[in-house]
This record gives sequence, C-alpha cells and structure tokens, in this order.
Amino acid sequence: AQSVAQPEDQVNVAEGNPLTVKCTYSVSGNPYLFWYVQYPNRGLQFLLKYITGDNLVKGSYGFEAEFNKSQTSFHLKKPSALVSDSALYFCAVTDTGNTPLVFGKGTRLSVIA
Amino acid sequence: GAVVSQHPSWVICKSGTSVKIECRSLDFQATTMFWYRQFPKQSLMLMATSNEGSKATYEQGVEKDKFLINHASLTLSTLTVTSAHPEDSSFYICSGRTGLINEQFFGPGTRLTVL
Repeated sequence: AQSVAQPEDQVNVAEGNPLTVKCTYSVSGNPYLFWYVQYPNRGLQFLLKYITGDNLVKGSYGFEAEFNKSQTSFHLKKPSALVSDSALYFCAVTDTGNTPLVFGKGTRLSVIA
Repeated sequence: GAVVSQHPSWVICKSGTSVKIECRSLDFQATTMFWYRQFPKQSLMLMATSNEGSKATYEQGVEKDKFLINHASLTLSTLTVTSAHPEDSSFYICSGRTGLINEQFFGPGTRLTVL
C-alpha cells in the first residue's frame, strides 16, 4: 500500500525567504509524485509532478521539488516566498499511475509580510 | 490542462433528503473517475473509484448504499448522497483520469451542508 507523510502541520516563513514543505512517501513500485495547493473553500490546484527524468522538477508559480529516491522524499521548495503563497499544500503519490492518488495530511503554509 | 467541473459548487439540504453532485470532464474523456471527501482542515480521503460503464469500487468504510456513484459516460459521473445527515456535511471533490496519461485532474469541489 502506498502512503505519504507530511511531517509538518504548519510552516511559517517570512516573505522573501526560501520555503520548504516536506514530503516523504512509500510505494511498492516506482512513484508518481505530485504537489497540489488548496486555497480556502477551493479545489486543488496542480503545482508540479515527478514521473521520471530529472530529479529536480520545476512547476507553477516558481515552485520546484526534488525527488530523492534514497530518502524517499519529494520536498517542495521556493527560493523566495510571497504572502500570496499562504495556503494548504498537499503531497500525493501513486504507483505507476494506475492506482488512485493517495494524499498526505497537508501542510499549512503561512507567509508573513 | 484538462478541466473538470462540478455542480453545484455548494448545497444546503435538510436532513433526510438526497443530494446529487455532478462531475464533468470538459475537454477529455475520463475513463476513470474518483470521488474524494475532505473534512475541515483535513486531507482528502478517497471514497470510491469508478470506471465508465462499471460499478464503482468503494473504499473500506464507505457505505455504497448511502453514496451512490454513477459513471454512465466518459464525461459524466454523479455522486448521490442518500438520506443525508449532518455528519455527511463535507467538501466533496471529484477527479477524472484519462487512460492515455496517468494523471488525475480535479474538480473545484462541492461543499455540502446538511441541516
């Protein structure tokens, strides 16, 4: 069975500082990894994905994530945080893409001006 | 990117009534649809998976007689919450996947409030 862990419920960062939202995963096969962002009372917005290829994946709104197979991690990063980045972030995984996405519990990012 | 719509975006109903939520893939054919449920400040929990023309597969603990899922066409899936109770109040999100690429596309969600 696949699973995702987001160890931090909340991440606080000052505007302009780099941010990291952590994610580790467990799958039986090769992982398909995703990051989504959710604003209040809204659906999920796709940020980026890793299927294969370069371990560093660049996505929407300046976000990127690095796939680390040995550490089974897929941390989300951004060099300079914006107040508008404040939202709920979900990491998700599926194995080979044939099974439904399994989500982490989410990490609330708060960027302070 | 592929677009998924949900209707209604929010609904308030009385306890004991049934509510139908529609999920449509607007620019792709969703061979598989997923329904998730999200409680406040919590993650998305998969309720069921449905393939077009087949019966839905429900996750453990999800009552199939209460949450009726129909996936009659490649662009439409419906979730009917029957005899709704206040504890069914939640945010319901659908997701479609085409057989061509292994990626799920999410609808904007439907907030259900049962009084």
